[in-house]
Amino acid sequence: DAMVIQNPRYQVTQFGKPVTLSCSQTLNHNVMYWYQQKSSQAPKLLFHYYDKDFNNEADTPDNFQSRRPNTSFCFLDIRSPGLGDAAMYLCATSRDIREYNEQFFGPGTRLTVL
Amino acid sequence: DQQVKQNSPSLSVQEGRISILNCDYTNSMFDYFLWYKKYPAEGPTFLISISSIKDKNEDGRFTVFLNKSAKHLSLHIVPSQPGDSAVYFCAASGGGTYKYIFGTGTRLKVLA
Repeated sequence: DAMVIQNPRYQVTQFGKPVTLSCSQTLNHNVMYWYQQKSSQAPKLLFHYYDKDFNNEADTPDNFQSRRPNTSFCFLDIRSPGLGDAAMYLCATSRDIREYNEQFFGPGTRLTVL
Repeated sequence: DQQVKQNSPSLSVQEGRISILNCDYTNSMFDYFLWYKKYPAEGPTFLISISSIKDKNEDGRFTVFLNKSAKHLSLHIVPSQPGDSAVYFCAASGGGTYKYIFGTGTRLKVLA
């Protein structure tokens, strides 16, 4: 089955210690998104890649970076995690960004910062 | 400033009855709306969508209604089943962007 995979499902890191979250997709979609979701809040878009073009949301902290080495993989790097970065991180894909497409989500990575 | 609001954090409904989940939005430029369903330990999955050119879209037991003048949409599930117990998110897009703004979700519990 075509799908969106996120690894690890649970990640524990220490305050200030860099961490990388991984997302891969077998859908061959052009667009990959990273969302942050805190408890009882709406998923918040951090950035997206349309093919190789990176698009950062205006209010995404500089602490958050992303890489997309190929169509299938996308990484979220948190350079110096703070306690406020503890959240569920959702990766999603869609076929295109130039029209209304549904987004396909991975199961998420729950990040704990100690 | 929350542009998409789901004011009911939770809802309980008896099996076989209708579930109605509500969503309000503030941006009049939104013209496309989706509902997602999320089970624990899984990512959200797409359920149903509606464009602003319609006021209703139906897919099996699920119907979404859009009231543009009230900036309100609702998801009706009839009849409700225990397997429908999940968190439901509405999302909206428009105004020249195809990015989605999500609501905070409503947790539906269908009681057997």
